Formats: sequence, C-alpha cells, structure tokens
Amino acid sequence: DGGITQSPKYLFRKEGQNVTLSCEQNLNHDAMYWYRQDPGQGLRLIYYSQIVNDFQKGDIAEGYSVSREKKESFPLTVTSAQKNPTAFYLCASSPRGDSYNEQFFGPGTRLTVL
Amino acid sequence: AQKVTQAQTEISVVEKEDVTLDCVYETRDTTYYLFWYKQPPSGELVFLIRRNSFDEQNEISGRYSWNFQKSTSSFNFTITASQVVDSAVYFCALRRGSTLGRLYFGRGTQLTVWP
Repeated sequence: DGGITQSPKYLFRKEGQNVTLSCEQNLNHDAMYWYRQDPGQGLRLIYYSQIVNDFQKGDIAEGYSVSREKKESFPLTVTSAQKNPTAFYLCASSPRGDSYNEQFFGPGTRLTVL
Repeated sequence: AQKVTQAQTEISVVEKEDVTLDCVYETRDTTYYLFWYKQPPSGELVFLIRRNSFDEQNEISGRYSWNFQKSTSSFNFTITASQVVDSAVYFCALRRGSTLGRLYFGRGTQLTVWP
C-alpha cells in the first residue's frame, strides 16, 4: 500500500540533544513538507522540498534542519537551538508543486522534551 | 499575505444535529485553491475536499457539503445529521496558484459530537 510513514510515533528527548524524525513516502511524489502542530495553533510550515537535493525554509525554520538526498525520504532534525521543540510533527507529500493537488499526510511524530 | 481564519475554536453538538464550520480566507491572488482536512484523534490529517478559485459551485458528498462564496471570501463546511465519528479537528487551508505548493492553514475547529 502506498503512503507516508513517520517514525517513531512518540519520541522523548533530553534538553540539549539533537533528534531526527523520519519521513518516508512510496507515492513517488516530488514534493515533501514538514509541519509543526501546537495546541490551538493549527499547522505551521517548517521546511519543504520540491525536488531532490533542494529545500526551502518555511515560516518557522529556526532550530530545524532537513535533507533531501532521496526522493522518498525527507528527514527532519530538531536541533538543540530549537527553544521549544515539544510538539506534534507532521510530514506530507504531494505529486508536484501543482497547486491543485492535495497534500497527503503521515501519521505524525509526537516529540516531548524532558 | 495569505491568511485563513477559523473563528470557531470548539463546537459541541448532539448526534443528528447539523453543524457548520466557518472558514474565511485572505489572499490577493486571483488563482488559488482551498482545502478542508479532518484530523481524528489518531492525528493523521485526512483530505476532504479541494476547490479552485474559479469554481464557486457548492458541493455535496453524502452528509458533507461545502459552500464557497468568493464575495465573502468564505468556504464553509456543513455536516448534516452529525455522528459521533465526525468528532475531530477540522482544518481549512489555502494554497496560492502561483507559487510552490505550500498550504496555509487555519487554526482548526474542534468538533465534538455527543451521543
């Protein structure tokens, strides 16, 4: 079955540690996205990528980094510079940058900083 | 700038009631796309509908219907005869027609349907 997988589902991190969230898709989509969700705040865009080896900052990129070495993979690293990383992180993909196509979402990773 | 406003933070209804979720958007683009997503307690966003700015026809899909009005920049979502399984957070989103495919989301409306 085609879809987007995110791992792990729950992640705990100590302050000062970097952590990487995985996002893999087998939909052959070109574009991939990372969103952060906080209670009552909706989804905010962190980074997005339209093609391999290229990505752009979203609205809240500070304290995060990404890579896009393969079409199917778009990992997100939450660095120690991110001051308030506890949140729900959602990865998404879409066929291309075409505006008409909807984005497909993964199940999310809930990150908690202890 | 693009902006999506969902003024209703939480709505509670009793099963079989009709409920309308409001969405107001702002954009200066003439071409744009609007979306509704459902987020059940599991967390994954589920796509419900998309509409482009040139198509103001209302749409009905089973118990769901959408009313798009450019004159008031609104794209409201109505659930008829609500059911407990409709309980979720619902997001309205906007995508510009002229740029990369990022979405601008509203803050969401938490709908609770009581039995």
